[in-house]
Amino acid sequence: GAVVSQHPSRVICKSGTSVKIECRSLDFQATTMFWYRQFPKQSLMLMATSNEGSKATYEQGVEKDKFLINHASLTLSTLTVTSAHPEDSSFYICSAREGSEQYFGPGTRLTVT
Amino acid sequence: RKEVEQDPGPFNVPEGATVAFNCTYSNSASQSFFWYRQDCRKEPKLLMSVYSSGNEDGRFTAQLNRASQYISLLIRDSKLSDSATYLCVVNGVAGGGADGLTFGKGTHLIIQP
Repeated sequence: GAVVSQHPSRVICKSGTSVKIECRSLDFQATTMFWYRQFPKQSLMLMATSNEGSKATYEQGVEKDKFLINHASLTLSTLTVTSAHPEDSSFYICSAREGSEQYFGPGTRLTVT
Repeated sequence: RKEVEQDPGPFNVPEGATVAFNCTYSNSASQSFFWYRQDCRKEPKLLMSVYSSGNEDGRFTAQLNRASQYISLLIRDSKLSDSATYLCVVNGVAGGGADGLTFGKGTHLIIQP
């Protein structure tokens, strides 16, 4: 089946710094990838839709200048959390669409101290 | 009103029992429906798609009632390995893109030996 990887799996950073998370589709090309966030005991929430070669589409309430998304190739999308703060600490998960299904990466656990 | 609602549980059931989960969704324009399984601190994995005609995959049966906007999942002969959080997922609800998935908060299932 389709495989999606994320890197890093876990990151701890200081408040005010920026963190980049990579999402790769390993055995298929994905024109569309998605970024989700999950806080403890909460559901996954869609943050944005990442489209290869064009600007990402952000969900209401998600700051596009804070969460920078770049989908430069058919197998890679990156999410950069800029000027991270403790409230940004969360589990960030990407998914890539192949056909009618979405395949999820293993997630990145971000802790901002 | 939440877009996808589930009973969070936990459901504690003995091994071998049959257990059923329900889910309701608010947007009648929703296109596709899924059940995902999420283990603790892991990414969600697709369990099965849900169709109006109902579908069965081994011990798992899913059903969709579009008129009532209601989705169900039945697990027969439950195994210890079925212990997880089951996420009801709807496609075509999130505002940023029709393909973005909207997740319920999940129903926590614990199978007891």
